[in-house]
Amino acid sequence: DTGVSQNPRHKITKRGQNVTFRCDPISEHNRLYWYRQTLGQGPEFLTYFQNEAQLEKSRLLSDRFSAERPKGSFSTLEIQRTEQGDSAMYLCASSRQGAPANTFGSGTRLTVV
Amino acid sequence: GQQLNQSPQSMFIQEGEDVSMNCTSSSIFNTWLWYKQDPGEGPVLLIALYKAGELTSNGRLTAQFGITRKDSFLNISASIPSDVGIYFCAGENSGGSNYKLTFGKGTLLTVNP
Repeated sequence: DTGVSQNPRHKITKRGQNVTFRCDPISEHNRLYWYRQTLGQGPEFLTYFQNEAQLEKSRLLSDRFSAERPKGSFSTLEIQRTEQGDSAMYLCASSRQGAPANTFGSGTRLTVV
Repeated sequence: GQQLNQSPQSMFIQEGEDVSMNCTSSSIFNTWLWYKQDPGEGPVLLIALYKAGELTSNGRLTAQFGITRKDSFLNISASIPSDVGIYFCAGENSGGSNYKLTFGKGTLLTVNP
């Protein structure tokens, strides 16, 4: 069990550019989550996959955001036409069937300049 | 949407003191979780509570799931410098459908050696 892995750890991008983050969950976990965390706040749910199916999306996830989990293993989160308000820590978590506790990765810190 | 009210927002204590923090909600949760987050890292699970009234310990940490299912508390006994960090409560009430978590805003704990 190597834990949840996220890459990159840090990303600085110019406003208007597209960025993509990757998450590798714990191998036996079939559920994968993306959260966003801004300074002074707790993580906020963005979207959830069970295997390869994206089953729920928060209204926080605007049309510029897209997430995929093509083979039910790793996941990517893409943000198109980034805005300064997208600056945040993007956290990935995973869990297994029947276990509510999410295990989190170390996150990707996005800064949009 | 659902909100978790976590208090206090911050605490400054001396090493060796006991600490108590709590979380309340207007909604019922099926699961309460307590996480600790260090700067630049993702939240790490401390204690998971699955049943109303449950009292669970993990070393110097003790947490309880409120009888009404709308609150939880976390106690830390005999604090040490490495207890410094942000503590988050999180609730889950999906009924097993997705296990997405709702987080409080966190309690920042500072321990003076």
